[in-house]
Amino acid sequence: GDSVTQMEGPVTLSEEAFLTINCTYTATGYPSLFWYVQYPGEGLQLLLKATKADDKGSNKGFEATYRKETTSFHLEKGSVQVSDSAVYFCALSDPSGTYKYIFGTGTRLKVLA
Amino acid sequence: SAVISQKPSRDICQRGTSLTIQCQVDSQVTMMFWYRQQPGQSLTLIATANQGSEATYESGFVIDKFPISRPNLTFSTLTVSNLSPEDSSIYLCSVVDLVAKNIQYFGAGTRLSVL
Repeated sequence: GDSVTQMEGPVTLSEEAFLTINCTYTATGYPSLFWYVQYPGEGLQLLLKATKADDKGSNKGFEATYRKETTSFHLEKGSVQVSDSAVYFCALSDPSGTYKYIFGTGTRLKVLA
Repeated sequence: SAVISQKPSRDICQRGTSLTIQCQVDSQVTMMFWYRQQPGQSLTLIATANQGSEATYESGFVIDKFPISRPNLTFSTLTVSNLSPEDSSIYLCSVVDLVAKNIQYFGAGTRLSVL
């Protein structure tokens, strides 16, 4: 079945460091791909999305490109801040149109000042 | 984007009791989902809340344990019944926006602790 594999955390970085969180997926169709962020004690917030191959989603300095050939959607940010400390989830939407999501296991990011 | 209000934000319950969680959306939405997030884990879909009919449950989740209602297009409740410590989790509702289809918006979650 469809699945999402996300790099394990926690990831600890110094402020202004470069961030990459890897995400790969398996899907039988053409899903949309998402990154969600969960700050401590809060629900999930949509960070960015891409709906087709080669699309680049971006928001708040974060970027991810839908790579069909490598079935990947890696999250990147050029310079992280302490306020970026959170758990990041990669997800895909069910290609069959049920609107259900499949989530990765989440990656905890800790940014040190 | 849809704005979701989820209540209560947290609760501490005794084993054997039940907790009902409410999810209110500020606009009509097509799909509403309920998820469980166990400590340090990812989200697991419990069920799809269907307006005016029985919810559709995922494998491993049953109506007797997780009864769900959705009387209209903007409101749903999830009850977690006969609580045990293993039910201690965060429960989240999400909705699919009518306009930006395929995007789910999440409530802030209900943090449940069972003693």
